[in-house]
Amino acid sequence: AQSVAQPEDQVNVAEGNPLTVKCTYSVSGNPYLFWYVQYPNRGLQFLLKYITGDNLVKGSYGFEAEFNKSQTSFHLKKPSALVSDSALYFCAVGSGNFNKFYFGSGTKLNVKP
Amino acid sequence: ETGVTQTPRHLVMGMTNKKSLKCEQHLGHNAMYWYKQSAKKPLELMFVYSLEERVENNSVPSRFSPECPNSSHLFLHLHTLQPEDSALYLCASSPWTGQEQYFGPGTRLTVT
Repeated sequence: AQSVAQPEDQVNVAEGNPLTVKCTYSVSGNPYLFWYVQYPNRGLQFLLKYITGDNLVKGSYGFEAEFNKSQTSFHLKKPSALVSDSALYFCAVGSGNFNKFYFGSGTKLNVKP
Repeated sequence: ETGVTQTPRHLVMGMTNKKSLKCEQHLGHNAMYWYKQSAKKPLELMFVYSLEERVENNSVPSRFSPECPNSSHLFLHLHTLQPEDSALYLCASSPWTGQEQYFGPGTRLTVT
């Protein structure tokens, strides 16, 4: 069965420090992976995706993510966090059947000044 | 905002009511989706439409009935809901299925 896990409910980071939000997945076949961000009272916004190609993908607002096939991970990273990055982050995975994919439970990122 | 609008933004309904949620996308996309977002639970995919044809029904109870009259509009018809159906209902669209999705702001539904 396909699934995606975000092991941390919350991540706390000081402004200016690097941040990592973790995501691991389980799929049969080649995965395609996404990161989304949700600000309070808003819908989700697309950040970046991995379908194929370079394992390091760059996205919006300075975020990047690294696809690691051996560890079945797709962690979201940013070299220097901003207070405005504070939000809820979701990882999503699909495979094969383009009509079926799954979201993680979300990780709340808190960036403190 | 994102080119996907949802109305109403808030809805309170009794268990015997019938109501509908509306979603409209102005992005020229061919796929549309309904999701349910409940507190402390993963986002749940409910329905997927591709070129106005329903291609996925993720074991959703029949009290939720989707309708996609054209590629720009998506409805979710609600009837005889339960209190546990209270949640944020999100609509999304993508160029085709499997691609990045663009979400609307959601409808906050409360069933009393």
